[in-house]
Amino acid sequence: DGGITQSPKYLFRKEGQNVTLSCEQNLNHDAMYWYRQDPGQGLRLIYYSQIVNDFQKGDIAEGYSVSREKKESFPLTVTSAQKNPTAFYLCASSSGGGRTYEQYFGPGTRLTVT
Amino acid sequence: AQSVTQLGSHVSVSEGALVLLRCNYSSSVPPYLFWYVQYPNQGLQLLLKYTSAATLVKGINGFEAEFKKSETSFHLTKPSAHMSDAAEYFCAVSALYSSASKIIFGSGTRLSIRP
Repeated sequence: DGGITQSPKYLFRKEGQNVTLSCEQNLNHDAMYWYRQDPGQGLRLIYYSQIVNDFQKGDIAEGYSVSREKKESFPLTVTSAQKNPTAFYLCASSSGGGRTYEQYFGPGTRLTVT
Repeated sequence: AQSVTQLGSHVSVSEGALVLLRCNYSSSVPPYLFWYVQYPNQGLQLLLKYTSAATLVKGINGFEAEFKKSETSFHLTKPSAHMSDAAEYFCAVSALYSSASKIIFGSGTRLSIRP
């Protein structure tokens, strides 16, 4: 089955540590996205990538970094510079290609930093 | 620029009653519009989408939405609520002729179903 996988489902880290969240898709989509979701709030865009080896900052990129070395993979690193990293992180992908198509989402990773 | 406003952060209806979740959009170009559903601790699932074809769009789980350009609205409805419909619902908009494939999400409406 085609889809998006995020691992792990739950992640716990100590303050001051960097942590990398995995996102893999086998939908052959060009575009991939990372969102952050806090309780009672909508989705906020962290980073997005429309093609391999290229990515752009979203609305809340500070304290985060990404890479896009392969079409199917878009890992997100939450660095120690991120002031409030505890949140639910969602990865998504879409066909892209210059048109704006619907996005498909992974199951999410809940990160808790203490 | 595009934006969406969801009216009501929480809506509660009785089982079997009509579900109406409101969404108004703002877009300087013809929009694509979407409704997504999110169950607790899960990702978002696409319910339906409007892409400038029929103004009445039917989606999964018995939901439908009507695009009304004059009212800049895209409200989500379901004739008869089921307990399994309890979830968070997000309206979203994207640009039809954008070189950047971005979608703008509303803040969400939590739907509760009373037995």
